[in-house]
Amino acid sequence: DTAVSQTPKYLVTQMGNDKSIKCEQNLGHDTMYWYKQDSKKFLKIMFSYNNKELIINETVPNRFSPKSPDKAHLNLHINSLELGDSAVYFCASSQLTSGRRNEQFFGPGTRLTVL
Amino acid sequence: DAKTTQPPSMDCAEGRAANLPCNHSTISGNEYVYWYRQIHSQGPQYIIHGLKNNETNEMASLIITEDRKSSTLILPHATLRDTAVYYCIVRPNNAGNMLTFGGGTRLMVKP
Repeated sequence: DTAVSQTPKYLVTQMGNDKSIKCEQNLGHDTMYWYKQDSKKFLKIMFSYNNKELIINETVPNRFSPKSPDKAHLNLHINSLELGDSAVYFCASSQLTSGRRNEQFFGPGTRLTVL
Repeated sequence: DAKTTQPPSMDCAEGRAANLPCNHSTISGNEYVYWYRQIHSQGPQYIIHGLKNNETNEMASLIITEDRKSSTLILPHATLRDTAVYYCIVRPNNAGNMLTFGGGTRLMVKP
């Protein structure tokens, strides 16, 4: 019954590695997002993906790439991991129907630790 | 960048109303006020939103001033489980929106 799920919940890896975080939503939403929450607890949007349209926060390094195999999934792939990538990553989804509230549903988060 | 200002922290006694203020003096006519909260180690959770009228749902009430430059989220009977960081966000209610979170208010509900 989980609305937005992420795997893995914890990810510990070495600098320089490539890793992916998976996100799935079963709400039938048409838009998905990735957010990053750093050690100071600030939540920042990274990407928004709607009907194959990708909106990127310009501050996100190009080592980060979202991949959406279908409307229910938005995976986050990270190349050449750096220490500063350590954070909690949240996936979210919403249905962008005009006139309705654009409530976003968040996943439980993936805690990434780069050593 | 966040367009809102919130106190960094507040305390509230269990069972009492928690009133969380938010200033958004530069809000535009097409921007809504949204409130989310984040309980420790969990993903943010939607609470309520409004444009200019006061709103109430099963979780909270939202009071927006007539000039729309500030608002107050009211938790009528705070419980220990309401301890969380509360975020006030303004944004247009149209397609492609991404939430811009500020620092929020850390609400501590005490027994």
